[in-house]
Amino acid sequence: DAGVTQSPTHLIKTRGQQVTLRCSPKSGHDTVSWYQQALGQGPQFIFQYYEEEERQRGNFPDRFSGHQFPNYSSELNVNALLLGDSALYLCASSFRTGVAGANVLTFGAGSRLTVL
Amino acid sequence: KNEVEQSPQNLTAQEGEFITINCSYSVGISALHWLQQHPGGGIVSLFMLSSGKKKHGRLIATINIQEKHSSLHITASHPRDSAVYICAVPLFRGEAGTASKLTFGTGTRLQVTL
Repeated sequence: DAGVTQSPTHLIKTRGQQVTLRCSPKSGHDTVSWYQQALGQGPQFIFQYYEEEERQRGNFPDRFSGHQFPNYSSELNVNALLLGDSALYLCASSFRTGVAGANVLTFGAGSRLTVL
Repeated sequence: KNEVEQSPQNLTAQEGEFITINCSYSVGISALHWLQQHPGGGIVSLFMLSSGKKKHGRLIATINIQEKHSSLHITASHPRDSAVYICAVPLFRGEAGTASKLTFGTGTRLQVTL
């Protein structure tokens, strides 16, 4: 049973470029969340997708956008890249049911983005 | 003040020692997550608990909802336990599925030496 898979694992971009990161959730999961983790910091919530819609959003600018597909996989897009966007981008999946706040999460290994 | 605070920030232990990592939070929650992150980034979910105590192998997690405090214990620590341990709580409660909008603590970096 595959867990959460993310691609690419590493990539390098230059300022002003655009990037797309991809996430396939764990089998049976239907909710995908994206997190940004800067070096030495804890992850910060970007947004959450369920039923192909953005359901929750953290404190990130509109340059960060996403999409969820009918097969529950998701993409994170970042436009007009800044040096400060360099980080590890983590995807986590869960199944949207049960007691609020009590859903088991599975994390991917992350995509490490370097902006030069 | 951070909504989720962990202590200590860094911890060095010798193999075999009993280890405790603490997490205090200021928001109302229905569940708390303990996560392990190894160098390179991959995060593994260790526990999700909403009350009492859970045990998995050498790992034990406890939570006191009234005091808004949780602890992660590692018994008979081993060098392979070296990692960053993070507690995380949901930002909101009430709507099913909001579990994945988590606020993370800053993490405790554990180094277990021989």
